[in-house]
Amino acid sequence: TQLLEQSPQFLSIQEGENLTVYCNSSSVFSSLQWYRQEPGEGPVLLVTVVTGGEVKKLKRLTFQFGDARKDSSLHITAAQTGDTGLYLCAGAREGGSTLGRLYFGRGTQLTVWP
Amino acid sequence: KAGVTQTPRYLIKTRGQQVTLSCSPISGHRSVSWYQQTPGQGLQFLFEYFSETQRNKGNFPGRFSGRQFSNSRSEMNVSTLELGDSALYLCASSLLPGINQPQHFGDGTRLSIL
Repeated sequence: TQLLEQSPQFLSIQEGENLTVYCNSSSVFSSLQWYRQEPGEGPVLLVTVVTGGEVKKLKRLTFQFGDARKDSSLHITAAQTGDTGLYLCAGAREGGSTLGRLYFGRGTQLTVWP
Repeated sequence: KAGVTQTPRYLIKTRGQQVTLSCSPISGHRSVSWYQQTPGQGLQFLFEYFSETQRNKGNFPGRFSGRQFSNSRSEMNVSTLELGDSALYLCASSLLPGINQPQHFGDGTRLSIL
């Protein structure tokens, strides 16, 4: 059972369009991280959000952590071909046997066409 | 600054064999985590090591094991390989263990079982 559900699984859009990727769970997370992975490479950390309701911007990318810390979204404005990749969300839960462990969503494969 | 180095990059094995994968973390990083990535399941947590001690373990059979050396380098071993073990194995390092520590991933070892 996947603790974090990402949607959509696949996204194919034209350059210049806007898009939103969602990461949802019924569990509460102490923090949520977003990664981007390109073929043949490991995931690269984009951002970490830790406070409910937090919004972080990274150029054309906007990340939001839900008020209840159960969900997050990634919004890309005016997508470019260089945004193509697999976007992964990963959550960390507090304490106990899960300390230090990240739970990943299955990812959203984004393809941006010229 | 060198990133996380994983060796080998590619491996082909047959069922029943065993394999050892290696991970050198970023200099100064003392925590190492291992993940298995498959198209169907995404990234699944295997284990985390800090100061040569396994701190956390995911839901994988005992055929999967690991260790960490005094220089923070880590190895994972899979015995009695099965077809389903074909995957990309990713190693991630962080300065310290902890739920909000940024994870820096290597490019992985692609393991194929024939």
